[in-house]
Amino acid sequence: KNEVEQSPQNLTAQEGEFITINCSYSVGISALHWLQQHPGGGIVSLFMLSSGKKKHGRLIATINIQEKHSSLHLTASHPRDSAVYICAPPPGGSQGNLIFGKGTKLSVKP
Amino acid sequence: GAVVSQHPSWVICKSGTSVKIECRSLDFQATTMFWYRQFPKQSLMLMATSNEGSKATYEQGVEKDKFLINHASLTLSTLTVTSAHPEDSSFYICSASPQRSGYTFGSGTRLTVV
Repeated sequence: KNEVEQSPQNLTAQEGEFITINCSYSVGISALHWLQQHPGGGIVSLFMLSSGKKKHGRLIATINIQEKHSSLHLTASHPRDSAVYICAPPPGGSQGNLIFGKGTKLSVKP
Repeated sequence: GAVVSQHPSWVICKSGTSVKIECRSLDFQATTMFWYRQFPKQSLMLMATSNEGSKATYEQGVEKDKFLINHASLTLSTLTVTSAHPEDSSFYICSASPQRSGYTFGSGTRLTVV
């Protein structure tokens, strides 16, 4: 069973701050997903990472497969970025369903 | 990009009635659809995996006779909560993986059983 730990669980930032969310998982995987869940519940897939780094707009995701660790960075944070960010690796390295960490609740204050 | 349309977005029903939730892949064929449930302040948990043309696979602790899944076509999977009770009130969301290149989620259904 793949365990997922995210830190911090809650994060409050001022608009413009640089944000980092960390994710550690317990078993080897081939790829990991970062998701964003909005207050209404809707989920958006941000990244699927298998190695190195990916960038999309103000979001940057990095992964170290050997160390079983991934980070999500957000530059120039804005109140509209307030959401829960979830790290989701597939269990046991499979390409089937995802398992979800509890997520990091980010609140960006103006 | 790939889109999964989920309906309804929210539903309130009386205890003992059944509720059907639909997830439709709009621009791709989904041979597999995942159904998740999220209780307040908890993480999403997989309920079942829906497979087109065959029986769904349920996670431990999920009653298959209570949560009926039908995946009769490559673009439609339905979850029916039968004889709903207040403890079934939750956020239900489906997901598919187009060509295993990532995951697309439905918009979710917030079920309230009164």
